[in-house]
Amino acid sequence: QVQLQESGPGLVKPSQTLSLTCTVSGGSISSGSYYWSWIRQPAGKGLEWIGRVHTSGSTNYNPSLKSRVTISEDTSKNQFSLKLSSVTAADTAVYYCARYCGGCGVDVWGKGTTVTVSS
Amino acid sequence: DIVMTQSPDSLAVSLGERATINCKSSQSVLYSSNNKNQLAWYKQKPGQPPKLLIYWASTRESGVPDRFSGSGSGTDFTLTISSLQAEDVAVYYCQQYYNTPLTFGQGTKVEIK
Repeated sequence: QVQLQESGPGLVKPSQTLSLTCTVSGGSISSGSYYWSWIRQPAGKGLEWIGRVHTSGSTNYNPSLKSRVTISEDTSKNQFSLKLSSVTAADTAVYYCARYCGGCGVDVWGKGTTVTVSS
Repeated sequence: DIVMTQSPDSLAVSLGERATINCKSSQSVLYSSNNKNQLAWYKQKPGQPPKLLIYWASTRESGVPDRFSGSGSGTDFTLTISSLQAEDVAVYYCQQYYNTPLTFGQGTKVEIK
């Protein structure tokens, strides 16, 4: 069964770039028709979709973050990644990587990683 | 963006009783090509990622107990827990995947009365 694991720095300074990687195990990131996604959740708040990369390599981003976000995949490592530039304290959140199967919701989630933006 | 609004924000239900959560979308999420509502429900316990319960508004994910059911179409949807168990204490979210950006409701916290 497919499992996802986020990795990356837990502390990022304001104005810098947040970089996270999601490693996929138990299945290939290249197979099937899935959207590999990033979703975040500030402490005590709701869920915000950041964006996704499709198996084909195409991407979609939340317009509220689009100017700062890049999501890419590395099929050789079976990973996909998130880069969020010019971060502020408002970007402090738990970041989840997840698999969206197109017609059936987000069916696989990583455990989440906490990223704090602070100097 | 499609705005998802859940009600109530929280509810307390006695063990074994029914819990009902509503979700309203700002526009229809019924996909005409397959006549399926692009609406999912998730359950999130503290310190855990969300878990998919229901997709296409009413299809239970594999392994989800049948006390969970989803209904509705177009813009109005309901998640029902027919007989609340202690392990159902959580925050529940609806989500539309009709178009991007994918958007979630604000969440409904379910507690034991």
